[in-house]
Amino acid sequence: SAVISQKPSRDICQRGTSLTIQCQVDSQVTMMFWYRQQPGQSLTLIATANQGSEATYESGFVIDKFPISRPNLTFSTLTVSNMSPEDSSIYLCSVGGLGIGNEQFFGPGTRLTVL
Amino acid sequence: AQSVSQHNHHVILSEAASLELGCNYSYGGTVNLFWYVQYPGQHLQLLLKYFSGDPLVKGIKGFEAEFIKSKFSFNLRKPSVQWSDTAEYFCAVNARMDSSYKLIFGSGTRLLVRP
Repeated sequence: SAVISQKPSRDICQRGTSLTIQCQVDSQVTMMFWYRQQPGQSLTLIATANQGSEATYESGFVIDKFPISRPNLTFSTLTVSNMSPEDSSIYLCSVGGLGIGNEQFFGPGTRLTVL
Repeated sequence: AQSVSQHNHHVILSEAASLELGCNYSYGGTVNLFWYVQYPGQHLQLLLKYFSGDPLVKGIKGFEAEFIKSKFSFNLRKPSVQWSDTAEYFCAVNARMDSSYKLIFGSGTRLLVRP
């Protein structure tokens, strides 16, 4: 397993601003993932972040809105840009390998409220 | 499109009652199946998983789940719940999509166990 921390744990932001969420893992991992959990809904994968390459975004998510950095094997950031109230969600990072049988381990999440 | 359905959004039980949470998925290929649990104020954590072999899998804290391929189901069970089982439970499927393996989540079931 892996121990994952996220900063901040929660934030309240104004419309039009940006917030960068940090994800730190206690061991080196190949794959890191960013999810969004909107109120009352399921977890939705935003993107997969690989060290040394561009993040891979899922349908409906774009780099301009959710830029991701992955500078090394233990750290990643997700920025929520030009926020609107619809971006109010819990954002979670997870780690794990892709492929059959590989489970993912999740961070505690960042609860974002946009006014 | 691939999806995961959890039929019960909210479940309320008394202690010692039996629990069964439904999970169905739509995907015709090879899958791995997971149940995650999120206790109040805590991270998502893995409860149990199915990769192959015996379709009845046992997880932590007395939980088990049965994979029925013909029904595309992976229901979670516990014969006697405790107050400490109060949590949100997520079914997830790891399925081959495009060139990567995505983890697709159900919408979650909130379980409240009354003492």
